[in-house]
Amino acid sequence: NAGVTQTPKFQVLKTGQSMTLQCAQDMNHEYMSWYRQDPGMGLRLIHYSVGAGITDQGEVPNGYNVSRSTTEDFPLRLLSAAPSQTSVYFCASSPTYTSTDTQYFGPGTRLTVL
Amino acid sequence: QQQVKQSPQSLIVQKGGISIINCAYENTAFDYFPWYQQFPGKGPALLIAIRPDVSEKKEGRFTISFNKSAKQFSLHIMDSQPGDSATYFCAALQGGGNKLTFGTGTQLKVEL
Repeated sequence: NAGVTQTPKFQVLKTGQSMTLQCAQDMNHEYMSWYRQDPGMGLRLIHYSVGAGITDQGEVPNGYNVSRSTTEDFPLRLLSAAPSQTSVYFCASSPTYTSTDTQYFGPGTRLTVL
Repeated sequence: QQQVKQSPQSLIVQKGGISIINCAYENTAFDYFPWYQQFPGKGPALLIAIRPDVSEKKEGRFTISFNKSAKQFSLHIMDSQPGDSATYFCAALQGGGNKLTFGTGTQLKVEL
């Protein structure tokens, strides 16, 4: 199993550009989520999904869209990038939405918005 | 407003020493408390977790101590090793769901 994979590893955007961060898992996990990590702030939840076709907002959803058309994939879309979205983005998955399920994180995407 | 407060921000410990990281929370609806370990350039990985009905949980050199009345919990790393050098995050979950609320992280360096 590859686990949770994310592409790209690094990305530089100009303000106003759009892009999609890809996340895929091959563990047949129901639950997937996106976090952003900023210095001194830990990780904060952007969006999450409890299954294909079901998504919901987390703590910091503004400026981001998600969809979940398959169990395996959970892309994160930046519609119009802003410098405040410069961050490291992590995708995570777990078997179910149950709190005791271990969440597995991908290696991250480092995004810089100029 | 940080729902889970973590300290210290950074920590330097000598090899063989005890590393202690503290966290505090306000939301009494939190019902599961995991700790994550993150190496540079990698995603966080689950280290150990505890429920609030347990005061202590030990796995190898790692121990969580939990004080429900004080709403505090801590991670103790015994016999700290250079390979333990990483960033550690405490976290909390509520209502049986899987939305993690993270602390701000502690960068641990274990020196020879």
